[in-house]
Amino acid sequence: GQNIDQPTEMTATEGAIVQINCTYQTSGFNGLFWYQQHAGEAPTFLSYNVLDGLEEKGRFSSFLSRSKGYSYLLLKELQMKDSASYLCAVIDSNYQLIWGAGTKLIIKP
Amino acid sequence: DVKVTQSSRYLVKRTGEKVFLECVQDMDHENMFWYRQDPGLGLRLIYFSYDVKMKEKGDIPEGYSVSREKKERFSLILESASTNQTSMYLCASSPTLDPYNEQFFGPGTRLTVL
Repeated sequence: GQNIDQPTEMTATEGAIVQINCTYQTSGFNGLFWYQQHAGEAPTFLSYNVLDGLEEKGRFSSFLSRSKGYSYLLLKELQMKDSASYLCAVIDSNYQLIWGAGTKLIIKP
Repeated sequence: DVKVTQSSRYLVKRTGEKVFLECVQDMDHENMFWYRQDPGLGLRLIYFSYDVKMKEKGDIPEGYSVSREKKERFSLILESASTNQTSMYLCASSPTLDPYNEQFFGPGTRLTVL
C-alpha cells in the first residue's frame, strides 16, 4: 500500500529551529509537496521537490532524499504565526497525489 | 491572487438530507478537486474535474456525486447524507492537468450530519 508518515504533533520555541520529517512508501515517485494549513483555514503551498537536495525559501527550507524515501521541512527563526499544520504530499507513479495526515506545530513563547 | 471560495464555512444537516456544497474559483483553472479532511488522516480525494462536464472518481467517491456545468464552479452533492459523512470538505483548483502544479484551496466547509 501507499503510506506517508509524519509526526502528529511537535512543539518548538519562538526564535528556534524545527525540522518536520516526512517518510513515504509509494508506488513510484514524481515529486513531493509541502503545504501549510493554519487552523480553520485553507492549505497553502510552501514547496515542491523532485530532485535530491535542499531548497531554501527564506526562513523555510525543504530537503529531499529519493533513495531514502525521506523529506523534511526546516523552519528557522520561528515566529508565533508559524503555528500551523504542515502537510506532506507525494505524486506517485500514476501521477496521483498521496497526502500525509499532517504535523501540527505548536510554537511557544 | 487566486481565490477559491466555498459557499458555507459551517453546515449542519440531518441524516437522509440532500446536501450541496458549492465551490467557485476565479482564475480560469481547468482542474478542480473535492477532498475530505478527517483527523489523523491525509486529505482524501472524492472527485476531480479537468473540464466542464467532465469528472473523474477519486479514492472515496461512494455516497457523493459532482457537477461542473461552468468552468469556475464545481459542486459536491451528498445524495442522502449519513453521519459518517461528517467531515471537513475542501475544494481546490489547479491551472492544468499537470500534477506538478500547486493546488489552491478554499477555506473548507465543516459539515455535521446529525
